[in-house]
Amino acid sequence: GQQVMQIPQYQHVQEGEDFTTYCNSSTTLSNIQWYKQRPGGHPVFLIQLVKSGEVKKQKRLTFQFGEAKKNSSLHITATQTTDVGTYFCAGRNNNDMRFGAGTRLTVKP
Amino acid sequence: NAGVTQTPKFQVLKTGQSMTLQCAQDMNHEYMSWYRQDPGMGLRLIHYSVGAGITDQGEVPNGYNVSRSTTEDFPLRLLSAAPSQTSVYFCASSRLAGGPGELFFGEGSRLTVL
Repeated sequence: GQQVMQIPQYQHVQEGEDFTTYCNSSTTLSNIQWYKQRPGGHPVFLIQLVKSGEVKKQKRLTFQFGEAKKNSSLHITATQTTDVGTYFCAGRNNNDMRFGAGTRLTVKP
Repeated sequence: NAGVTQTPKFQVLKTGQSMTLQCAQDMNHEYMSWYRQDPGMGLRLIHYSVGAGITDQGEVPNGYNVSRSTTEDFPLRLLSAAPSQTSVYFCASSRLAGGPGELFFGEGSRLTVL
């Protein structure tokens, strides 16, 4: 079945440093979504990528979808303490949405 | 705006007991799903539904039943709870446009099975 792998599992950065998390699927995806979960909270939707090679930006966040639609990345420029949380990718194959294990980001002020 | 409502927020069960986690959404979403979240394993799909009367299995369906008699409700049933089912459970819903779009999550239900 479809598997979505995400690395790294943890990332600790100094405030102001950049952060990247990577997502890889064992199958071609219809789309990929990214979510953020604050400690003790529930996942909150960030963005959806649909097209091969697509790049989207949200302020300091840059999202990419690979040409083969099997991988994706989220890059945060100049992290802030408000970026703390776990970032998940979710790959869609028909009606089946599979999540990666997430990357837990901590930011030292 | 209620969004996705899950009850109960916390539950402790003994091995072998049964219970139902309730999920309701007021956004008229066709798609609803249940995930469990365990440390280091992300969110794993248990069951999903693309509309009333239609359900399908996700990646970890064993030990769980679902039904979808209305668009609004998607309960998750544990028929005989086991310690391995100790987890945080999230219900999520979305519109369907060739497949699920943005998922809206409930606040979660923390289940402990002793």
